[in-house]
Amino acid sequence: EAQVTQNPRYLITVTGKKLTVTCSQNMNHEYMSWYRQDPGLGLRQIYYSMNVEVTDKGDVPEGYKVSRKEKRNFPLILESPSPNQTSLYFCASSQGTGGASYNSPLHFGNGTRLTVT
Amino acid sequence: GQSLEQPSEVTAVEGAIVQINCTYQTSGFYGLSWYQQHDGGAPTFLSYNALDGLEETGRFSSFLSRSDSYGYLLLQELQMKDSASYFCAVRGLGGGFKTIFGAGTRLFVKA
Repeated sequence: EAQVTQNPRYLITVTGKKLTVTCSQNMNHEYMSWYRQDPGLGLRQIYYSMNVEVTDKGDVPEGYKVSRKEKRNFPLILESPSPNQTSLYFCASSQGTGGASYNSPLHFGNGTRLTVT
Repeated sequence: GQSLEQPSEVTAVEGAIVQINCTYQTSGFYGLSWYQQHDGGAPTFLSYNALDGLEETGRFSSFLSRSDSYGYLLLQELQMKDSASYFCAVRGLGGGFKTIFGAGTRLFVKA
């Protein structure tokens, strides 16, 4: 089954304790991206990757890191989480690069609800 | 700045037609997409407009007018299961691959 898999689904942590949220897709998609969703703000892009070893900032990259060492994986790293990073996080992927990427639908994972105390 | 504006809530009755608008203050994007999200779920793709005009996909249609800087999602023959949040989104801002979403419109379908 074609899917984007995020882990964990729920995570409660304390300020400053490094964490990683994993994201994996089995559709051979080139484009992968991370979003956070907060009430009233919709989905805001954190980082995106157009292919292996190619990443770029979205609208809200501060406090986050990503890496794309393999095509299928795109982990989100919070080196020193803070309470303002409490949110619902989604990973998404889509097919294609260049012009083909723009109209390819994003396939989302089921989300990770992160609470930082 | 770059932004997409949507109404926060819309209410309609079962069987009716509802239009959800999306106005934008951005340029240089490649197309307007729409996504649906049920409570507790992930967003799922509904429709995409690369060019001006109407795109129809079953009960859902989407429209884009670049000259008027707006688009809309039209839902026909509303069903209770259409109660969800709907987001417009653009990708390809400034020649890159950044994606921005509107804040979403919560649709309530009443019996």
